[in-house]
Amino acid sequence: EVHLVESGGGLVQPGGSLRLSCAASGFTFSSYEMNWVRQAPGKGLEWVSYISSSGSTIYYADSVKGRFTISRDNAHNSLYLQMNSLRAEDTAVYYCARESGSCSSCFDYWGQGTLVTVSS
Amino acid sequence: QSVLTQPPSASGTPGQRVTISCSGSSSNIGSNTVNWYQQLPGTAPKLLIYSNSQRPSGVPDRFSGSKSGTSASLAISGLQSEDEADYYCAAWDDSLKKVFGGGTKLTVL
Repeated sequence: EVHLVESGGGLVQPGGSLRLSCAASGFTFSSYEMNWVRQAPGKGLEWVSYISSSGSTIYYADSVKGRFTISRDNAHNSLYLQMNSLRAEDTAVYYCARESGSCSSCFDYWGQGTLVTVSS
Repeated sequence: QSVLTQPPSASGTPGQRVTISCSGSSSNIGSNTVNWYQQLPGTAPKLLIYSNSQRPSGVPDRFSGSKSGTSASLAISGLQSEDEADYYCAAWDDSLKKVFGGGTKLTVL
């Protein structure tokens, strides 16, 4: 069974940094593209970043470009999101999501999410 | 301001058919497939429809999707109380980003 488990969320001051992790199991992690998607409290879904299966192709939303870095460790079945220069508007639940191999840009499995709160 | 436009709310009574629209542009819906997600309260989103009109295994055939030009629609027939949720459309945008609609809150009256 596919499992995605995020960790690393918490309370951080504006301007601070945080590193999120997503532990994957139940599938061949190295064969799948992965994404981070976030949801601010009471708001809709916002795509954050994408990484190809090998890590060679990466995309970011304009709102996080230059501040966030996505990476993966296929040997350890893990996805990461390094978040720097955090702002109040980055407060959200962050989900890691697997991209299905049978449809374009569709996320067939999601983690339960980890909450990031940016506040002084 | 979401790239894809959805109505903020929709409603229907049990047994009714409801539709939720999703409007985009030539760089996203107009040239790429549309996916729909259902998010029940307090849970992670779930893939509901992919590639405009395909249902993942386990999704009831009460749910259907369609696309025409730069717009897409999700239809739910035989509405049930457990369908009360937030629904999001999503697509790839040719500007190298993935985009979501703002979400539609469906209320079953």
